[in-house]
Amino acid sequence: AQTVTQSQPEMSVQEAETVTLSCTYDTSENNYYLFWYKQPPSRQMILVIRQEAYKQQNATENRFSVNFQKAAKSFSLKISDSQLGDTAMYFCAFMKIPGAQKLVFGQGTRLTINP
Amino acid sequence: DGGITQSPKYLFRKEGQNVTLSCEQNLNHDAMYWYRQDPGQGLRLIYYSQIVNDFQKGDIAEGYSVSREKKESFPLTVTSAQKNPTAFYLCATRGLLSNQPQHFGDGTRLSIL
Repeated sequence: AQTVTQSQPEMSVQEAETVTLSCTYDTSENNYYLFWYKQPPSRQMILVIRQEAYKQQNATENRFSVNFQKAAKSFSLKISDSQLGDTAMYFCAFMKIPGAQKLVFGQGTRLTINP
Repeated sequence: DGGITQSPKYLFRKEGQNVTLSCEQNLNHDAMYWYRQDPGQGLRLIYYSQIVNDFQKGDIAEGYSVSREKKESFPLTVTSAQKNPTAFYLCATRGLLSNQPQHFGDGTRLSIL
């Protein structure tokens, strides 16, 4: 079974700073996807970024980028030029492919951006 | 997510009562999922369905039941056998292509009276 671990329960930075959220996972699978989801106070789950395991290039989406280290089973999220709207819970998630494409989530990191 | 509707937004259950949470989607997605979120924790999978009239148990299926009679609908029943039902419940859907992510509804908050 796969497990996902987020070792930082809470983080806090000042607006415009850069912050990195950590995620490690454990799997014996070779083909999978990794995701970062954001859950603001409204409790919607919003996809931030995704990474295919077969791709060596790290995914980027505007101010969000990942550092994917497959051998180390590490998948960190970097948020550049942080904004007040980035305040949310952030969840790392693993999905094995092919198959039922079930998501396995980490415990989450509560990120607060201070003005 | 505009294409996934969960209702009601808030639900209260009395002891010994079954309650049903609704999840409807107009995204034409084949797969649907139910997750449970407890305070300060990540999401855990309750049930999922990849096609109509078929569904499988997730990691925490005890005390829950589902049906998938239509592609658009995947209701979750929280039965009286679920002794600790207070949680936030999220429904998700996904298309069949392997590179598609799951999309989530806005959730239902279930509390015990």
